[in-house]
Amino acid sequence: DADVTQTPRNRITKTGKRIMLECSQTKGHDRMYWYRQDPGLGLRLIYYSFDVKDINKGEISDGYSVSRQAQAKFSLSLESAIPNQTALYFCATSDQGEKLFFGSGTQLSVL
Amino acid sequence: AQKITQTQPGMFVQEKEAVTLDCTYDTSDQSYGLFWYKQPSSGEMIFLIYQGSYDEQNATEGRYSLNFQKARKSANLVISASQLGDSAMYFCAMRRNTGFQKLVFGTGTRLLVSP
Repeated sequence: DADVTQTPRNRITKTGKRIMLECSQTKGHDRMYWYRQDPGLGLRLIYYSFDVKDINKGEISDGYSVSRQAQAKFSLSLESAIPNQTALYFCATSDQGEKLFFGSGTQLSVL
Repeated sequence: AQKITQTQPGMFVQEKEAVTLDCTYDTSDQSYGLFWYKQPSSGEMIFLIYQGSYDEQNATEGRYSLNFQKARKSANLVISASQLGDSAMYFCAMRRNTGFQKLVFGTGTRLLVSP
């Protein structure tokens, strides 16, 4: 089983819909992250969490919200999806000072 | 603010040859870490190699080495003896070691290895 699991792997939704992307990890890491990847722009940080009670905005948090339900679970929500939120979304975890471990990604298309 | 620059959108190399992927960074921090990740067509992000800013020797991991030139603020990835399976996107990233340790990524370089 993967250490960092993202669901769903693919999602197509319509403008205005609420959607949730879920992430769970078995690595026991306190730190979890959500990134989005757009062609030509690399990966950009949406939100990050250092523990269950600590959630912070990243560089592109507008239009997104997150919930850290437990140490192992970190979900990303789009309250009202719009087409420019079409992207590949990655969840990642890390231990302090260590490299990031990524999930397999969720390809989201907003029509 | 941190910034990573990868100036090569695409690179071509023949199988068994070596290739260098460029990465320059901008930071005012003294303590930081540099990473390279590989993203094959299947989409996952695979960690390749890490270099700490205070490491005196260049990092190596199998066929991957990181050519770290601190004064020039460059952290180029060298892949020796390229293989067809090396065809992928490659991302350089940097993390500061103080304050919020987020990873900042470059825009990536697409490497194509030909037979």
